Amino acid sequence: AQRVTQPEKLLSVFKGAPVELKCNYSYSGSPELFWYVQYSRQRLQLLLRHISRESIKGFTADLNKGETSFHLKKPFAQEEDSAMYYCALGGSQGNLIFGKGTKLSVKP
Amino acid sequence: EADIYQTPRYLVIGTGKKITLECSQTMGHDKMYWYQQDPGMELHLIHYSYGVNSTEKGDLSSESTVSRIRTEHFPLTLESARPSHTSQYLCASSEWGRGGVYNEQFFGPGTRLTVL
Repeated sequence: AQRVTQPEKLLSVFKGAPVELKCNYSYSGSPELFWYVQYSRQRLQLLLRHISRESIKGFTADLNKGETSFHLKKPFAQEEDSAMYYCALGGSQGNLIFGKGTKLSVKP
Repeated sequence: EADIYQTPRYLVIGTGKKITLECSQTMGHDKMYWYQQDPGMELHLIHYSYGVNSTEKGDLSSESTVSRIRTEHFPLTLESARPSHTSQYLCASSEWGRGGVYNEQFFGPGTRLTVL
């Protein structure tokens, strides 16, 4: 079964602290993974995808096939990073399978 | 400006009414999607389309129907709304073919539906 698990519903950190949002997936083939973000009163938008191997707004995510994980990391959190983060897996129908999301709250 | 639009943004309606949620995009995308999201839960794909006259059902079974008569328009219809249909509905679109199967999906602002 194709599935995405985000174990943390809420993650609260202080400004300047490191952040790691966890994502595990279940997929039998070669996965394509994404992180989408939704800031307050804004639309859901793509943050990054694993095949581009880039850093966006200081965030990085590495695909670990052995652990079937795609955790999102940032070394120093900023208040503007506060948002809802969704991990997504490319499904067999060409669609996206989303996790339940993690709400990141960065306190001053 | 290229964008994806959804109307209405909020809808409160009585049981048994027929409703149509509108989705239009000026992105020039071939692929369009409808997702359903209950509060605090994941997005579930309910319908998608590869292009004009193409519609497919998604992972989550839904009593809604869709049509794709024009590339830019992908409306979702509920013939008889019920309280169990109360949810947020998100429309999205993406390019087809270029860059691989899983091109970036662009999302609309959503329609929050409440059926009394």
